[in-house]
Amino acid sequence: GAVVSQHPSWVICKSGTSVKIECRSLDFQATTMFWYRQFPKQSLMLMATSNEGSKATYEQGVEKDKFLINHASLTLSTLTVTSAHPEDSSFYICSARQGPGGYTFGSGTRLTVV
Amino acid sequence: QKEVEQDPGPLSVPEGAIVSLNCTYSNSAFQYFMWYRQYSRKGPELLMYTYSSGNKEDGRFTAQVDKSSKYISLFIRDSQPSDSATYLCASLPPAAGNKLTFGGGTRVLVKP
Repeated sequence: GAVVSQHPSWVICKSGTSVKIECRSLDFQATTMFWYRQFPKQSLMLMATSNEGSKATYEQGVEKDKFLINHASLTLSTLTVTSAHPEDSSFYICSARQGPGGYTFGSGTRLTVV
Repeated sequence: QKEVEQDPGPLSVPEGAIVSLNCTYSNSAFQYFMWYRQYSRKGPELLMYTYSSGNKEDGRFTAQVDKSSKYISLFIRDSQPSDSATYLCASLPPAAGNKLTFGGGTRVLVKP
């Protein structure tokens, strides 16, 4: 089946630094990828839609300059949390779409900003 | 009102029991329905995907869609402790830019 690889699985960084999270579709091409954020015991909150070769589409309330998304190829999308602060600590998950029901999720990245 | 509503639980059942999970949705235009299982600190894993009203079975899992009532269900037979997780229902609205709409998730605990 379709596999989406997400790295790193967890990261700790100092306040003010930037962190990059990678999301790769291993056995299929993904023209569209999605980035979610999830707080403990809550559902997934869509942050942005990443389209290969074009700018990402951000959901209302998501800071574009803080959460930089790049989708340079059909198999790779990256999310960079810039100038991270403790309130950015969360669980970030990517997803890639293969078809109407074919939404495959990465294993998630736990970000802790200290 | 959220577009997809789901009881947060937790739902606690003994091993071997049937787990019954439900979601309601508000938009009759919703077409595709999915159930995901999410273990703690992991990404969601697709369990079932349905399009039309009726039942769809896959092993111990049965997904049920009633479009007239805007109600979707997931049944897990012969539940195991390894089924303990959060279950998320999701739908793909038309003209939504392929963005899934999720329910809030139901936490399930299967006790040995």
